[in-house]
Amino acid sequence: EVQLLESGGDLVQPGGSLRLSCAASGFTFNNYVMTWVRQAPGKGLEYVSTISAFGGSTHYADSVRGRFTISRDNSKNTLYLQMNSLRAEDSAIYYCSKVEWDSSTWYAPFDYWGQGTLVTVSS
Amino acid sequence: QLVLTQSPSASASLGASVKLTCTLSSGHSSSAIAWHQQQPEKGPRYLMKVNSDGSHNKGDGIPDRFSGSSSGTERYLTISSLQSEDEADYHCQTWGPGIRWVFGGGTRLTVL
Repeated sequence: EVQLLESGGDLVQPGGSLRLSCAASGFTFNNYVMTWVRQAPGKGLEYVSTISAFGGSTHYADSVRGRFTISRDNSKNTLYLQMNSLRAEDSAIYYCSKVEWDSSTWYAPFDYWGQGTLVTVSS
Repeated sequence: QLVLTQSPSASASLGASVKLTCTLSSGHSSSAIAWHQQQPEKGPRYLMKVNSDGSHNKGDGIPDRFSGSSSGTERYLTISSLQSEDEADYHCQTWGPGIRWVFGGGTRLTVL
């Protein structure tokens, strides 16, 4: 059974930093592209960042580029999101998700999701 | 710029059927989409991928009551024999070079 378990969410002041983790199990982690998606209170889903199976390629939404860094440790089956220079508008539940396997592209739907971890940016 | 449009809300009676719509912006009639269900206070759950020809591939454990279809730039999710646990937010998603990964605004389904 595929499981994704996020952690690391917290209350942080504007300008502060936070590192989120996502522990994966139930599948061969290093075979899959992984992503972070967030959801502000009462809002829809917003794509944040993607990392390739071996970490060599990354992509970021414009809203976080230059402030957030996605990474992974395949030896630990864990995905990370380092968040710096946090703003009030970054407050959201952050979900990690697994991208459906496709041999030719990393553009594919997200087929498994975690339960999320809450980040609140406020003074 | 590809945009996915969903109605903010929908409702249907217990035991009835409902058809939710996700509309791709003009010029993207060949794009596939995915449907995700998000029950209250839970993370999303992948339901299925719906292709432009109307074929669909469901995620693990998704009941037969859930089906997908397509017409032009519209992608549909039909839920039959509605149950109380189907009351949830339904998000559509698409992907591709240039557009990367995009979500619609979501539809909140109320089961009466």
